[in-house]
Amino acid sequence: KAGVTQTPRYLIKTRGQQVTLSCSPISGHRSVSWYQQTPGQGLQFLFEYFSETQRNKGNFPGRFSGRQFSNSRSEMNVSTLELGDSALYLCASSLYAGGNQPQHFGDGTRLSIL
Amino acid sequence: GESVGLHLPTLSVQEGDNSIINCAYSNSASDYFIWYKQESGKGPQFIIDIRSNMDKRQGQRVTVLLNKTVKHLSLQIAATQPGDSAVYFCAERGYNFNKFYFGSGTKLNVKP
Repeated sequence: KAGVTQTPRYLIKTRGQQVTLSCSPISGHRSVSWYQQTPGQGLQFLFEYFSETQRNKGNFPGRFSGRQFSNSRSEMNVSTLELGDSALYLCASSLYAGGNQPQHFGDGTRLSIL
Repeated sequence: GESVGLHLPTLSVQEGDNSIINCAYSNSASDYFIWYKQESGKGPQFIIDIRSNMDKRQGQRVTVLLNKTVKHLSLQIAATQPGDSAVYFCAERGYNFNKFYFGSGTKLNVKP
């Protein structure tokens, strides 16, 4: 069974641009969560989607948004990029939202802002 | 808010020794815990989980211990190998909050 797939693996953008990251969950998983990982802040929760609906949101500005498609694939978008947005963005999938079940992570998209 | 922390940011062990990685959590309502391993350039990899109705769970070379009285979680790795070198995170989740909270991570260095 294929794991969580994130594309692209690396991305370089400049300030003010926008970016879209993609995540394909494990087959059969319907919940997708996004995290930002930085050396200083660790893993921070962005949002979670289930059945094309945002179920939970972290403390990030409105420049960060996401969506989920009917096949459970998800995208996140960051607009008006800032230098501080440089980070590893991780996607994790699970069978359903909530509950006592693990999330399985992809290898992330490394976003660098110049 | 909830917080999950680690006592030791870096742990160095000799190959073949046992490793113990610790984690403290602050929310007594948390009822599900996971340990993840993250190698350089990769995403976190699920190692083992435990529910709050248990105090111990064993996997292959790994054991997780949960002490709800003092809100402490530990990961024990038996016969540590060079391939175990990575950053280890604990994560907690409760029935009344819909997201995981992650610790800051402990880096495990295995010396040959």
